[in-house]
Amino acid sequence: DADVTQTPRNRITKTGKRIMLECSQTKGHDRMYWYRQDPGLGLRLIYYSFDVKDINKGEISDGYSVSRQAQAKFSLSLESAIPNQTALYFCATSNMLAGELFFGEGSRLTVL
Amino acid sequence: GNSVTQMEGPVTLSEEAFLTINCTYTATGYPSLFWYVQYPGEGLQLLLKATKADDKGSNKGFEATYRKETTSFHLEKGSVQVSDSAVYFCALSRTNAGKSTFGDGTTLTVKP
Repeated sequence: DADVTQTPRNRITKTGKRIMLECSQTKGHDRMYWYRQDPGLGLRLIYYSFDVKDINKGEISDGYSVSRQAQAKFSLSLESAIPNQTALYFCATSNMLAGELFFGEGSRLTVL
Repeated sequence: GNSVTQMEGPVTLSEEAFLTINCTYTATGYPSLFWYVQYPGEGLQLLLKATKADDKGSNKGFEATYRKETTSFHLEKGSVQVSDSAVYFCALSRTNAGKSTFGDGTTLTVKP
């Protein structure tokens, strides 16, 4: 089993619908992140969390919200999806000392 | 703020050719530097890293040296294989900030 698991892997939805992307990890890391990947734009940080009681906005948080339900779980929500939120979304974890990120396999979201 | 600039792609090489993907960065303090690789349909995974000036990271025949004087971390491989076809991302992280900054990614295609 993967250390960082994202569900769903693929989702097609309609404008205005609420969507939740879920992430769980077995690495025991405190830090969790949500990134968005668009062609030619690299990865952009949406939200990050350093522990269960700590939530921080990234560079593109508008239109998104998150919930850190436990150390191992970090969910991303789109309250009212719009077409320009069509993208590949990645969850990642890290520990404080190493700095490197461990990624899930991604959730491809299409908003029609 | 922090930023990472990568050589634009796509890059197409023949098998056994020499590879260089340029990466330069802007950051305050002393960041750690990373190269991540994303194979088709997968999430990103760490390829190599360097945590201080003059360190050389290496893995799977790839190398990169942390050059503080030129603020660079260029990725090299002496002889690429078809299986190296992927998207490569340069990134930096300052541990006390807890966030990583990514370049836009460089797509490499290796032809037999």
